[in-house]
This record gives sequence, structure tokens and C-alpha cells, in this order.
Amino acid sequence: NAGVTQTPKFQVLKTGQSMTLQCAQDMNHEYMSWYRQDPGMGLRLIHYSVGAGITDQGEVPNGYNVSRSTTEDFPLRLLSAAPSQTSVYFCASSYLGQGGKTFFGQGTRLTVV
Amino acid sequence: RKEVEQDPGPFNVPEGATVAFNCTYSNSASQSFFWYRQDCRKEPKLLMSVYSSGNEDGRFTAQLNRASQYISLLIRDSKLSDSATYLCVVTLTGGGNKLTFGTGTQLKVEL
Repeated sequence: NAGVTQTPKFQVLKTGQSMTLQCAQDMNHEYMSWYRQDPGMGLRLIHYSVGAGITDQGEVPNGYNVSRSTTEDFPLRLLSAAPSQTSVYFCASSYLGQGGKTFFGQGTRLTVV
Repeated sequence: RKEVEQDPGPFNVPEGATVAFNCTYSNSASQSFFWYRQDCRKEPKLLMSVYSSGNEDGRFTAQLNRASQYISLLIRDSKLSDSATYLCVVTLTGGGNKLTFGTGTQLKVEL
């Protein structure tokens, strides 16, 4: 049971570099999303998708892009990394209409120096 | 004002104690309510849903008061393994699958 798989688990970037965080789920969930978690703040929604070919912005989308070419995959791209993007990133998935039963990946700890 | 507010703790309790966490939400359009558990440096996992009638899962009891916009979680007979951060989570009417998280309450159960 793979569930939601995120890679990498850890990453250090220099300011200005770009990278892609990978996310895949094998539960055939229609809904996928990306959150970031910072100390003293709840998880905040970056981008989400309700199905292949459909994406939308969440609460904190600036500096990030997403695409959803398949049901399984939902990569998150950092266009030009900034120190403010140092955070823990979680990919998540769920069936539409069942947001409470959301499954999360193990997280990516990103440091931008 | 945060949409979902929790006391960050930590709550340090002895094994076997009963402990209660509270959470308030500000948006009256909040539709569904949940408690998630997050172990240190791990991902959040659903602990239980919260219903107005109250619901129980073993040692855990969750309660919702819509009039006061207040959610609670009661843990009886605390175990060392209950040490974690407990996240209060809500969804909004018309918000689809979007989750709004509180900052979490940290629980440390000690011998």
C-alpha cells in the first residue's frame, strides 16, 4: 500500500534555483493538493486539483506552479526559490466530497539558503 | 484572526490522565470537522471526524458545538504513544475538499 509518495524527503536549494517536488498516489483519488507547514502556522494550501487537467490556486500560490497530466501525479514546481519558501511541504489526496479522509505524503523538508 | 484557533500547548500529562483539547473556528460556513494527529516530523493522519451528536472511538471522544463554534477532543487513560500534535481541521460549505487547519496542540504523555 504505497498511498501518497513524495520525493525528495529533504532538499537544500540556493536562492534563485528551481526544482520540482514529485507527488504520486495510487488510490485513484480525484483530488490532490499541496500544503506547506511552517512553525506557528497551520498547514496552508498552495495549489489543488480536482482531476486531471484541472488545477487551481490555494491560499499561498505565489512562487509555485503545478500541473496535473494524470490522475496519479501532481508535481509542485518552485520557479525561483526564495528563503521564504523554506518549509515542510506535504502532498495530499482524497476522493472528491471526502476531504476529511485526506491522505498525506511523508513530506519534503526544503531549505533555501 | 485565524480561522481555526487552538492552544498550542504543550500539554504535559502523566500516563493514565484524561486530557482535553479545544478548538474554535470563526467561519460560520464551516461544514465538516475533524481531528488529525501528527507525530513529530511525520505527516498528519486522520484521527476522527467530529459530529454534533458527539462521537467516540475507544479512548477518544470528540464533540462539536455549532452554536459556540467550538470543537473538543477528550483523551482518556493517556498512553505514552498518544504523544503527538493534534490538529483541528474544518472544511467550508462550498469549499470542496479544501481543509483549513489549526496550528495544532502538542501533547506529551510522561511516565
